[in-house]
Amino acid sequence: TQLLEQSPQFLSIQEGENLTVYCNSSSVFSSLQWYRQEPGEGPVLLVTVVTGGEVKKLKRLTFQFGDARKDSSLHITAAQTGDTGLYLCGSPSGSRLTFGEGTQLTVNP
Amino acid sequence: SQTIHQWPATLVQPVGSPLSLECTVEGTSNPNLYWYRQAAGRGLQLLFYSVGIGQISSEVPQNLSASRPQDRQFILSSKKLLLSDSGFYLCAWSLGGTLRGYTFGSGTRLTVV
Repeated sequence: TQLLEQSPQFLSIQEGENLTVYCNSSSVFSSLQWYRQEPGEGPVLLVTVVTGGEVKKLKRLTFQFGDARKDSSLHITAAQTGDTGLYLCGSPSGSRLTFGEGTQLTVNP
Repeated sequence: SQTIHQWPATLVQPVGSPLSLECTVEGTSNPNLYWYRQAAGRGLQLLFYSVGIGQISSEVPQNLSASRPQDRQFILSSKKLLLSDSGFYLCAWSLGGTLRGYTFGSGTRLTVV
């Protein structure tokens, strides 16, 4: 089973700031998915990245897949309080999806 | 459109009591179904998954079992709950393949007392 390491574990910032969170593995990802989870809810898929070097944008969120497909980052520009949540990366393997431990982001007003 | 229903939303059960959590999916056929458990604010641990009726794969040896009696129904059970079974249980479905995302239910918060 592929191990996914996410950093930082916790991040607390002020509204309007930029931030980046990371997802890394010692082995190559076939593809990588990013999810956001709000308290008391299930995770919601944000994006899937597949190709090394790929960059995808979702409004203020920019997702990057490393050239070697062993790492990925999520950058949020001008964070808003609504961005608060647990950000999880997940890597598919066969019929399973393995998750990292997540980054808990708090955006303060 | 596809929807996933998971119930109950919260559950408080005494140690030693049985458990049955149900998950159903609508609007799709032959989905892959999953049960995950999540500790507070942390990542998701895959417990069971199923690629078809009656087919169950267990990821972690534990006090729990899963069944899939119908194509779009997935049940998580225990005969005798332990304190360590407390957590947030999430059901999910996917159509398979590494490019397809998972859709999660809204979860069940289980507290064993």
